[in-house]
Amino acid sequence: DVKVTQSSRYLVKRTGEKVFLECVQDMDHENMFWYRQDPGLGLRLIYFSYDVKMKEKGDIPEGYSVSREKKERFSLILESASTNQTSMYLCASSSPSLRGGGNENIQYFGAGTRLSVL
Amino acid sequence: GENVEQHPSTLSVQEGDSAVIKCTYSDSASNYFPWYKQELGKGPQLIIDIRSNVGEKKDQRIAVTLNKTAKHFSLHITETQPEDSAVYFCAASMDGTSYGKLTFGQGTILTVHP
Repeated sequence: DVKVTQSSRYLVKRTGEKVFLECVQDMDHENMFWYRQDPGLGLRLIYFSYDVKMKEKGDIPEGYSVSREKKERFSLILESASTNQTSMYLCASSSPSLRGGGNENIQYFGAGTRLSVL
Repeated sequence: GENVEQHPSTLSVQEGDSAVIKCTYSDSASNYFPWYKQELGKGPQLIIDIRSNVGEKKDQRIAVTLNKTAKHFSLHITETQPEDSAVYFCAASMDGTSYGKLTFGQGTILTVHP
């Protein structure tokens, strides 16, 4: 079974803090994604990565950055957390290769990190 | 870019009834349409998907239909059970491009009352 692990289930930070959200997948997937989930807005893509050190902006990248130094790990960084970044953050991975699942469009999600910025 | 609209935002049914969730998409180039189910405290999980060369697909109590002309697709759940209660998301993608990026709908909270 594919496992996507997010380091924290709940996180409380103060405005202006630098925040790191970590995600690790164990299936050697090439693609990794960060979403935020807000009621009534669905899942919105923040950033994604298709290879180590490669990243592309999603639909709402402002205020966020990412890092992918190793294939299995994808980090989301809030350089200076603000209250409007209070949300549920979901990480996902996928692979185009048969070994990794065979369908690049099937995304496997972690359980999420609920971040509160006070 | 692609835009996916999902309705209704909440749906309440009695156990045994059917439930239908509808989505529309904007980009006629989209050709892959998955549905994800998110249970409380968990991440979304794929439950069924359909490609644009197929009009309908069934898997036990769930089915998905696609109308390419109208650019809409629907999830049908028959004989609903309390364990079907969850948040459901539709999504759209162009298969084989864009590293598997999905555009999600707003989500539907389905509640099945015993």
